[in-house]
Amino acid sequence: EAGVAQSPRYKIIEKRQSVAFWCNPISGHATLYWYQQILGQGPKLLIQFQNNGVVDDSQLPKDRFSAERLKGVDSTLKIQPAKLEDSAVYLCASSSPSGTRPYEQYFGPGTRLTVT
Amino acid sequence: AQKVTQAQTEISVVEKEDVTLDCVYETRDTTYYLFWYKQPPSGELVFLIRRNSFDEQNEISGRYSWNFQKSTSSFNFTITASQVVDSAVYFCALRESGTASKLTFGTGTRLQVTL
Repeated sequence: EAGVAQSPRYKIIEKRQSVAFWCNPISGHATLYWYQQILGQGPKLLIQFQNNGVVDDSQLPKDRFSAERLKGVDSTLKIQPAKLEDSAVYLCASSSPSGTRPYEQYFGPGTRLTVT
Repeated sequence: AQKVTQAQTEISVVEKEDVTLDCVYETRDTTYYLFWYKQPPSGELVFLIRRNSFDEQNEISGRYSWNFQKSTSSFNFTITASQVVDSAVYFCALRESGTASKLTFGTGTRLQVTL
């Protein structure tokens, strides 16, 4: 089966600009996660969707970050305006209650964001 | 709240040496899952193993082995006869009992294997 797709793979922007990342989960996976991985740290959950509803967004900086999953499939994560400290890799993951590894999270390749 | 600690920031070994990566976790749940992931330079997280809190049996998969000890809240990972291709950052992670709960990651251990 096709894995989790993310685009773009790399993005360089200046501070105060806006940026959007896209994620296409594995087909049929109802749960979608966005993680932020700052250099030298482990990934940290930003937001979790179950279909098109938000399950957990407690660590999402809502003054500048937003995410949506309108049709319960693809998702977009947006940052507006970006700050220097937003430089990180943004990882998307998805999971399903069925399949060979139920509830396990499959990760995409990530989008590396550099804010200058 | 759950927490995962990987005290080793970076380890360097020579090929064919054995190496153990340490992981200590904290959780109040009695049911939880522990994971190890590998992150090569390409950046993608590669799943290595999952262990649930009721299964303390050690596991071996080829050159990889895992030692889970609830008494010390540790889930250590050993690579036997390391190879250059093992060079990567390794993350230990914890998921609490909710079936679709988030993963809490440690800060990772960078393993460098040289010839």
